Amino acid sequence: GQQLNQSPQSMFIQEGEDVSMNCTSSSIFNTWLWYKQEPGEGPVLLIALYKAGELTSNGRLTAQFGITRKDSFLNISASIPSDVGIYFCAGQSYSHGSSNTGKLIFGQGTTLQVKP
Amino acid sequence: NAGVTQTPKFRVLKTGQSMTLLCAQDMNHEYMYWYRQDPGMGLRLIHYSVGEGTTAKGEVPDGYNVSRLKKQNFLLGLESAAPSQTSVYFCASSWDRNNEQFFGPGTRLTVL
Repeated sequence: GQQLNQSPQSMFIQEGEDVSMNCTSSSIFNTWLWYKQEPGEGPVLLIALYKAGELTSNGRLTAQFGITRKDSFLNISASIPSDVGIYFCAGQSYSHGSSNTGKLIFGQGTTLQVKP
Repeated sequence: NAGVTQTPKFRVLKTGQSMTLLCAQDMNHEYMYWYRQDPGMGLRLIHYSVGEGTTAKGEVPDGYNVSRLKKQNFLLGLESAAPSQTSVYFCASSWDRNNEQFFGPGTRLTVL
C-alpha cells in the first residue's frame, strides 16, 4: 500500500530556532496536509495544500507541495515552547475516474521539543 | 458545538472480551473515519463511512466492525479483543471527501 516517509523522527531545539521537516512518498498525492497533535488530544489541521508547487503560510508555519507531487515540507520559524507536539504529514490521492473517499495516509510523525 | 466526541476515554480489556467505542459529531458531517495510532506508525485507517447506513474497510480492518445507523454516530466494535489491538483510537469526521477532517480526543485501549 501507499506509504509516507516522514523525517526527522524527532527534534530537540532551542527556542527561537527554525524547524524543517519533510515527507516523501513513492506514490503521487493530490492533496498534502500537515497536522499537529498535542498530548492527550487528536490531530489538528495546520495547513492544507491542493496544487503541485503550492506554497502556503499560516503564521510562522510554511508548507510546500512538491512539484513531483511525491513530497512536501513544513517549516516553523522562530520556534516557541507552545510549538511542542507531534507533527504529521498526510496525503490524499485518487485516480481519474474513481471515487475519492477522503482517505488519508499518514506519515510516522515528527516529535518536536523546544527548550526555553 | 462539541465537535467530535469519543466515549470512553480509557478502557482496559482482557483478551477475548468485546467492547464498542462510540464516536459522535454535531457538525452534520457526511464522512466519518476510525483510525488507530501506534508508536512510530502514525495513524492508520480502520474503517470509514461516506454517509448514514454506509461503511467501508480501510487499511487495517481485521478484528473490527463498524456501524453508522445514525448520521451523527459511528461505532467501532471489537468482538474478541487481542493484545495487538492495544492502541489509541481516533475518530474523525468531515463535511465531504475533500474537506478538513476534524478529530476527536481519542480513546486509549489496553488489552491484557
